[in-house]
Amino acid sequence: DGGITQSPKYLFRKEGQNVTLSCEQNLNHDAMYWYRQDPGQGLRLIYYSQIVNDFQKGDIAEGYSVSREKKESFPLTVTSAQKNPTAFYLCASSIRDANEKLFFGSGTQLSVL
Amino acid sequence: QKEVEQNSGPLSVPEGAIASLNCTYSDRGSQSFFWYRQYSGKSPELIMFIYSNGDKEDGRFTAQLNKASQYVSLLIRDSQPSDSATYLCAVNSLNFGNEKLTFGTGTRLTIIP
Repeated sequence: DGGITQSPKYLFRKEGQNVTLSCEQNLNHDAMYWYRQDPGQGLRLIYYSQIVNDFQKGDIAEGYSVSREKKESFPLTVTSAQKNPTAFYLCASSIRDANEKLFFGSGTQLSVL
Repeated sequence: QKEVEQNSGPLSVPEGAIASLNCTYSDRGSQSFFWYRQYSGKSPELIMFIYSNGDKEDGRFTAQLNKASQYVSLLIRDSQPSDSATYLCAVNSLNFGNEKLTFGTGTRLTIIP
């Protein structure tokens, strides 16, 4: 089955620690996205990538980093510079760009210990 | 002004009635408009998209777009308890030559049996 796989489902971060959230897709989509969702809020764009080895900052990129070395993979690192990392993180992909349907992964809930 | 605005609700509608969800957006150049449904703790799923002015119907769902008023709405006919969820409006815009999708904060809908 084609889809987007996010792991882990739950992640805990200690103060000062960097953590990496995994996102893999086998849909052969060019574009991939990372969103953050806080309780009762909509989705805010962190980073997005429309092609391998290229990515752009979204609205709330500070304290996060990404890489796009392979078409199917778009990992997100939450760095120690992100002072309020507790949130639900969603990875998504689309065939080409944001004019199209987004396919979402099942999400990662990140909490601070 | 927020780029995409929705009433957060909660919106309560009796079973069998019509639920009406509204969304306004600020970027006059936006071309693509989406409605996603999100159940609590789950990832969003696309239920409707619309690109042209007017109405678009799909089963019990109708999306309405008025670009002159920068307004998009979603009507749900014959509301069912399974329609109880948060509905997210999403609108595309250009960000330094790249397409970006911006989400509203969502409207929480509760269908009362």
